[in-house]
Amino acid sequence: NAGVTQTPKFRILKIGQSMTLQCTQDMNHNYMYWYRQDPGMGLKLIYYSVGAGITDKGEVPNGYNVSRSTTEDFPLRLELAAPSQTSVYFCASRAAGGSLGEQYFGPGTRLTVT
Amino acid sequence: EDQVTQSPEALRLQEGESSSLNCSYTVSGLRGLFWYRQDPGKGPEFLFTLYSAGEEKEKERLKATLTKKESFLHITAPKPEDSATYLCAVPHGSGNTGKLIFGQGTTLQVKP
Repeated sequence: NAGVTQTPKFRILKIGQSMTLQCTQDMNHNYMYWYRQDPGMGLKLIYYSVGAGITDKGEVPNGYNVSRSTTEDFPLRLELAAPSQTSVYFCASRAAGGSLGEQYFGPGTRLTVT
Repeated sequence: EDQVTQSPEALRLQEGESSSLNCSYTVSGLRGLFWYRQDPGKGPEFLFTLYSAGEEKEKERLKATLTKKESFLHITAPKPEDSATYLCAVPHGSGNTGKLIFGQGTTLQVKP
């Protein structure tokens, strides 16, 4: 199993550009999550999904969009990038019926907006 | 408002010098407290789940404990490979969504 994979690993965007961060998991997990992590801060939940076709906002959703058309994929879309979106983004997944906190994380995407 | 606070922010230990990391939480109706380890440039890795006061979990040199207001991660005779950032988290909101609130983390450095 590859677990949770994310692409790209690094990206630099200019202000106003758009991009999609890709996330794929091969564990057949129902639940998937997008977090951002800023220096010296804990992770903040952006969006989450409880299954294909179902998504909902987390703590910091403004400026982002998601979709979940399959169990495996959960892409995160940034529209009109702003410097405040400079961060490290992590995707995670969790099995249904498991511990709420037993989430498996990808390696992250480091995004810089200039 | 649900809140998680970790202390200290950073901790430097000599190899073999035992210590503890603290995670204080304010949440209505605790449904678990979770510890993660995060190595530089990588995603967090799940370590433990604790559900009730008095519960303890162990893994190698790590032992996590839980009271009604806080959790401790005890590190016994640490080695340089234990150097990492340790995060704690609690569930936020109702239901089974798995939404978590994380503390800001404690960065541990163990010198040989």
